[in-house]
Amino acid sequence: AQKVTQAQTEISVVEKEDVTLDCVYETRDTTYYLFWYKQPPSGELVFLIRRNSFDEQNEISGRYSWNFQKSTSSFNFTITASQVVDSAVYFCALSEPNTGGFKTIFGAGTRLFVKA
Amino acid sequence: KAGVTQTPRYLIKTRGQQVTLSCSPISGHRSVSWYQQTPGQGLQFLFEYFSETQRNKGNFPGRFSGRQFSNSRSEMNVSTLELGDSALYLCASSTGQGVDGYTFGSGTRLTVV
Repeated sequence: AQKVTQAQTEISVVEKEDVTLDCVYETRDTTYYLFWYKQPPSGELVFLIRRNSFDEQNEISGRYSWNFQKSTSSFNFTITASQVVDSAVYFCALSEPNTGGFKTIFGAGTRLFVKA
Repeated sequence: KAGVTQTPRYLIKTRGQQVTLSCSPISGHRSVSWYQQTPGQGLQFLFEYFSETQRNKGNFPGRFSGRQFSNSRSEMNVSTLELGDSALYLCASSTGQGVDGYTFGSGTRLTVV
């Protein structure tokens, strides 16, 4: 069964702190894709990163970094030196092959508050 | 290039009525997926259309339906509205070939009273 778990409902940090958002997934497929999206208060979800199941390299993009570990079925997201503008809801998502395309499901989201 | 356009942005309907929401994907994108977002259930997958055909479907009752036109624009329809259908309905556009990230629209906030 396809499942994404984001156990942290809300996290509150002070600006400049580092914060890690956890994501654990379940899948029976060997080919799948993992994503992170950001939903700021304006409401529109914004794509941050995609990872396929065959690429376990960690990735860094500015203050953002992602740690993908197949052994623990986790795809965690770290924000270094957080800023107030990082305040948003962050969603982890999993895409699996399904009837000619891919079906994507989302975790429940983690709401991040960054206080000045 | 233009983003994903969803109309209307806000909608208030009465229980029992029906509603149609529209989504225009990014030019060249052939896949449109619909999601329902509520505080309690998060983002729930409704269905995906690709080249005018429904390719994937979530676990929603038959009151929820959709279609896609030859220009890739998509509509979703909810009949016999219930209070629990109040939600933000999000449309996601992608090429539909391989797995690229979605581009989301701003959503339609539906309130059923």
